Amino acid sequence: GAVVSQHPSWVICKSGTSVKIECRSLDFQATTMFWYRQFPKKSLMLMATSNEGSKATYEQGVEKDKFLINHASLTLSTLTVTSAHPEDSSFYICSARDRIVGYNTEAFFGQGTRLTVV
Amino acid sequence: GEDVEQSLFLSVREGDSSVINCTYTDSSSTYLYWYKQEPGAGLQLLTYIFSNMDMKQDQRLTVLLNKKDKHLSLRIADTQTGDSAIYFCAESLNRDDKIIFGKGTRLHILP
Repeated sequence: GAVVSQHPSWVICKSGTSVKIECRSLDFQATTMFWYRQFPKKSLMLMATSNEGSKATYEQGVEKDKFLINHASLTLSTLTVTSAHPEDSSFYICSARDRIVGYNTEAFFGQGTRLTVV
Repeated sequence: GEDVEQSLFLSVREGDSSVINCTYTDSSSTYLYWYKQEPGAGLQLLTYIFSNMDMKQDQRLTVLLNKKDKHLSLRIADTQTGDSAIYFCAESLNRDDKIIFGKGTRLHILP
């Protein structure tokens, strides 16, 4: 099946610094990618929808200036957590769908990035 | 609004069947999914069902949809230790829409 790769798999950063997480579709093109955040009690929350060549669409309650999303190409979306704080520590997961519309409706997920802010 | 609810924990003996239940609120949902997440990993799509279907079977997996009650279930026959994971119920309005997830059900396999 199609592969979505996230990098890094885990990162530890100091409070106040920024961290960039990459999400790449390796063998397909994705017009749209989604960023999720998984909370400690397993709740998977959609943060934003990343649209290639245009601004991301953020879900209610998600700070746009805090979580910067860039979707510069059909195979790459980045999430930058700016001025990270310990409460931003979480598991971040991206997903992508093949832009070619077809019967297959599968959204492919990256392996996730564990962010720890100390 | 959109909401997906599922129980947080299920314990099943190896070899028995596991049934994970889910309810959703948006009757417009067209696609309903079951995802599996193993420890420290991303999500893997197990199966999905269209809203105009009542049942879908794929090897050991059986999905039942009661659209009237907005209830979705996943049955895993002959549960194995490798089935130990968190199972997420999810829905989307259309193929290209965002996917809304439940909180996940942790399936624990007893020897």
